[in-house]
Amino acid sequence: QKEVEQDPGPLSVPEGAIVSLNCTYSNSAFQYFMWYRQYSRKGPELLMYTYSSGNKEDGRFTAQVDKSSKYISLFIRDSQPSDSATYLCASSVFMDSNYQLIWGAGTKLIIKP
Amino acid sequence: GAVVSQHPSWVICKSGTSVKIECRSLDFQATTMFWYRQFPKQSLMLMATSNEGSKATYEQGVEKDKFLINHASLTLSTLTVTSAHPEDSSFYICSANIKVDTQYFGPGTRLTVL
Repeated sequence: QKEVEQDPGPLSVPEGAIVSLNCTYSNSAFQYFMWYRQYSRKGPELLMYTYSSGNKEDGRFTAQVDKSSKYISLFIRDSQPSDSATYLCASSVFMDSNYQLIWGAGTKLIIKP
Repeated sequence: GAVVSQHPSWVICKSGTSVKIECRSLDFQATTMFWYRQFPKQSLMLMATSNEGSKATYEQGVEKDKFLINHASLTLSTLTVTSAHPEDSSFYICSANIKVDTQYFGPGTRLTVL
């Protein structure tokens, strides 16, 4: 079992819809959680960074962490075609003297005009 | 956000040759840089962790003699793919820490070995 589980999709929604992307994790030691967006043949771009349970909002994006159920979510409001990309969740964990990222598989999101 | 650059963005080489990929942190100093490999439609696979001035730490299954990593300064790390073969064709991405628990990624380098 992978330590971070994420449905690879694809997830296809109409423009303007609210998008919900989710991940679960199994290691209680995970403290920091990130959402990255990756366009095709580009490096991942950090979207959101959270370290406590609750919600964090940035523009149209809201990251939610529930440590009791080990569940993390990213919500995108008023979705746009330009939001079409692969969204990767990750947790940062300290190992071998460094913080390393444990990745989900990534969910491919398609926003239909 | 922090800026990480990679060069080249795309390289095509013949089988048996070596290719060097550079990763630079442009507006910050990175004591730790990471090298990833990504195959189409797959997530990123960590290859190695590189600390400035010391030997890189390679993940299990990654050949250190084939993927040479040098982290000579706080702003530059290089990955050299030695004696490249078609199966080494992939998307190589570096990242750097700005905060100890957050990584910023370069744009990636697409390697095609003929």
